[in-house]
Amino acid sequence: KNQVEQSPQSLIILEGKNCTLQCNYTVSPFSNLRWYKQDTGRGPVSLTIMTFSENTKSNGRYTATLDADTKQSSLHITASQLSDSASYICVVPSSNTGKLIFGQGTTLQVKP
Amino acid sequence: ETGVTQSPTHLIKTRGQQVTLRCSSQSGHNTVSWYQQALGQGPQFIFQYYREEENGRGNFPPRFSGLQFPNYSSELNVNALELDDSALYLCASSFLAEAFFGQGTRLTVV
Repeated sequence: KNQVEQSPQSLIILEGKNCTLQCNYTVSPFSNLRWYKQDTGRGPVSLTIMTFSENTKSNGRYTATLDADTKQSSLHITASQLSDSASYICVVPSSNTGKLIFGQGTTLQVKP
Repeated sequence: ETGVTQSPTHLIKTRGQQVTLRCSSQSGHNTVSWYQQALGQGPQFIFQYYREEENGRGNFPPRFSGLQFPNYSSELNVNALELDDSALYLCASSFLAEAFFGQGTRLTVV
């Protein structure tokens, strides 16, 4: 069964600290993995897309890694800011159907 | 700004009523997907349209139906609303590896 699992479910950190979010997937065949940031009550906004051949990709203070062998990805946030408080969702498309398979998300709260 | 617009942004309906949600796609994107997101949960796939044809459906009853128009905009229709239909409804337009979401429609059924 195609699944995407994220951990931790929620996370609280102090402003300025770093954190790492995890995503494990069983979607096959694999084409790409996406990280989205979703503010409460809003639509998800893309942070990064990782393809099979990419190990690391950065977008400002966000760095995503991908290990296609172990089917794991991580999203590292450096020097967190209050505006980073949101849900972070890992998404893997099903190559067969094009349907996006979502993880349940990690809710990050950055405190001053 | 993703180029995907959903309307309305908020809506309150009574149980048993019908509702239509709308989504205008990113230019050039011929695939649109709809998702239901309950509070605190990840989005759940409702269905997908590709060039005006339904191209996949999740575990939602037939009272959830949709349309995609020649300009690739889309509608989600829900009949006989139930309290559990209260959620954020997201539309995503996509082409190949690109997928962009609208801001969502918050539906409350009372």
